[in-house]
Amino acid sequence: DAGVIQSPRHEVTEMGQEVTLRCKPISGHNSLFWYRQTMMRGLELLIYFNNNVPIDDSGMPEDRFSAKMPNASFSTLKIQPSEPRDSAVYFCASSLARSLNTEAFFGQGTRLTVV
Amino acid sequence: AQRVTQPEKLLSVFKGAPVELKCNYSYSGSPELFWYVQYSRQRLQLLLRHISRESIKGFTADLNKGETSFHLKKPFAQEEDSAMYYCALSPYGGYNKLIFGAGTRLAVHP
Repeated sequence: DAGVIQSPRHEVTEMGQEVTLRCKPISGHNSLFWYRQTMMRGLELLIYFNNNVPIDDSGMPEDRFSAKMPNASFSTLKIQPSEPRDSAVYFCASSLARSLNTEAFFGQGTRLTVV
Repeated sequence: AQRVTQPEKLLSVFKGAPVELKCNYSYSGSPELFWYVQYSRQRLQLLLRHISRESIKGFTADLNKGETSFHLKKPFAQEEDSAMYYCALSPYGGYNKLIFGAGTRLAVHP
């Protein structure tokens, strides 16, 4: 397995444009997480899914952010419209939420720059 | 409130010196605690978890419920230990979600 796969690796977009980040979790994992990493705030949990169902989206900063998981092998995080303060590295992670202390596996991240 | 605090943004030491990366947590239940590490140009990965009571790459971490701490220690730092270290808490019943601290950058100088 290639691990958690995120695309694109880098995204540069203009303010006001729509941005879509993609994630393919590890096959067989049933929990998926989206995190945002910034210098000021570190790693923040935005939203997470279990069995494709959103469980907690309280970390999503604004209505401009939305996430979907249409099936067990794909998730998207969309920002519309994007703003410069959304610039960050966005990580997707997956795990098998069957037992305690299950390790979360992270993707390489998408570095988003909004100009 | 569920919170993880890493008070140091940067810890700079010389090779061979002892290292202690501090982590304190706030959680009303029994916590599951982890240390994750991010080496340069690599993805975030698990270093160790408290329940395993293991030593990975010479690092250990002991859960102190009285002090609500989970400090990461290594007796002799190596240059290859230079990385970003994140302490994380997983609340019970949270589908393995992780609440991270702000992270500490460890720089080990020759």
